[in-house]
Amino acid sequence: QQQVKQSPQSLIVQKGGISIINCAYENTAFDYFPWYQQFPGKGPALLIAIRPDVSEKKEGRFTISFNKSAKQFSLHIMDSQPGDSATYFCAARTLSDSGGSNYKLTFGKGTLLTVNP
Amino acid sequence: EAGVAQSPRYKIIEKRQSVAFWCNPISGHATLYWYQQILGQGPKLLIQFQNNGVVDDSQLPKDRFSAERLKGVDSTLKIQPAKLEDSAVYLCASSQRLAGRAYNEQFFGPGTRLTVL
Repeated sequence: QQQVKQSPQSLIVQKGGISIINCAYENTAFDYFPWYQQFPGKGPALLIAIRPDVSEKKEGRFTISFNKSAKQFSLHIMDSQPGDSATYFCAARTLSDSGGSNYKLTFGKGTLLTVNP
Repeated sequence: EAGVAQSPRYKIIEKRQSVAFWCNPISGHATLYWYQQILGQGPKLLIQFQNNGVVDDSQLPKDRFSAERLKGVDSTLKIQPAKLEDSAVYLCASSQRLAGRAYNEQFFGPGTRLTVL
């Protein structure tokens, strides 16, 4: 069964600190790895995404590190702010059952990040 | 640009009753997804439409769940009869294929929180 394993389940960081969330996968058919951010009462929103042939991608304070050989990837949030407090999901993309150019996402279980002021 | 609309936002029903959720995707988005998000877990894809055709329903409990997207725009998801374990947030998302883009972002609605008593 396709799975994406995410850790930790919850994380508390002080303002200005670095938040690190890790994910691992087994299915080599995954071909894209997005991270989503979800605030209470809202749907998830895309934060940043990376292809497996890239080892690192940075957008502002958010960086994805990708280790293809280890089948692991992680999200780093630099200078964490109270406004970053949310649930973060890693995900991985594969072809949908119908194939073609249709894709679907498999999500990790999420990490609840709390940034204390 | 209007986001993905869902209704109702909340629903409480007794077990064995029926319930339906409605989703209106972002205008022009051909792909529509329904996800189930159980408390403390990541979204799980139930069904994916490309226009009005189903491209993946491998994780849809077809004995009780059904979905349709008759005119390739809005969609309904139905549960009949509901079980206690169906208590979850049901998220709708949509996406469009953009030429030259490696990853086509899924945009999520706010979800419908279903409680089955």
